[in-house]
Amino acid sequence: GAVVSQHPSRVICKSGTSVKIECRSLDFQATTMFWYRQFPKQSLMLMATSNEGSKATYEQGVEKDKFLINHASLTLSTLTVTSAHPEDSSFYICSAARPGRSTDTQYFGPGTRLTVL
Amino acid sequence: ELKVEQNPLFLSMQEGKNYTIYCNYSTTSDRLYWYRQDPGKSLESLFVLLSNGAVKQEGRLMASLDTKARLSTLHITAAVHDLSATYFCAVDKAGGGADGLTFGKGTHLIIQP
Repeated sequence: GAVVSQHPSRVICKSGTSVKIECRSLDFQATTMFWYRQFPKQSLMLMATSNEGSKATYEQGVEKDKFLINHASLTLSTLTVTSAHPEDSSFYICSAARPGRSTDTQYFGPGTRLTVL
Repeated sequence: ELKVEQNPLFLSMQEGKNYTIYCNYSTTSDRLYWYRQDPGKSLESLFVLLSNGAVKQEGRLMASLDTKARLSTLHITAAVHDLSATYFCAVDKAGGGADGLTFGKGTHLIIQP
């Protein structure tokens, strides 16, 4: 089946620093990837849609200047949390849908746990 | 705005029992997903339901979709401890993977011996 990877799996950083998270589709090309955030014991919330070769689309309430998304190739999307603060600590999960396969589910990466001190 | 409601949010049950998790959504949607999440892990895909009346089964889990009622169910038959997890339903507004998913709050399921 399709595989989506994320790197790093876990990161701890100091407040005010920036953190980059990578999301890769390993065995298919994804023109669209999605970034979600999950706080402890809560559900997943869609943050933004990452489109290859164009600007990301952000959900209401998500600061585009704080969460920078770059989808530079058909297999890689990156999320950069800029000037991270403790309230940004969360589980960040990306997903990708295989294009042209209407019956396919979205495939989720293993997630990145961010802790901001 | 699309809303997805799951109930119950918490369920403790004994092995061998049957139970159903319900998922209601507020607007027309092409597809309905069920995922499983273990503590500290990402999501594992269980089912994708694409049409009214769709029913899918895998082991002790069976999912169904009624698009007219905007309701999906996840039925657990003769539960075993290994099924303890959090289960999410999610809806794709546009279908075909064009939109991100809107998730329910999840059902935290504990199955006791």
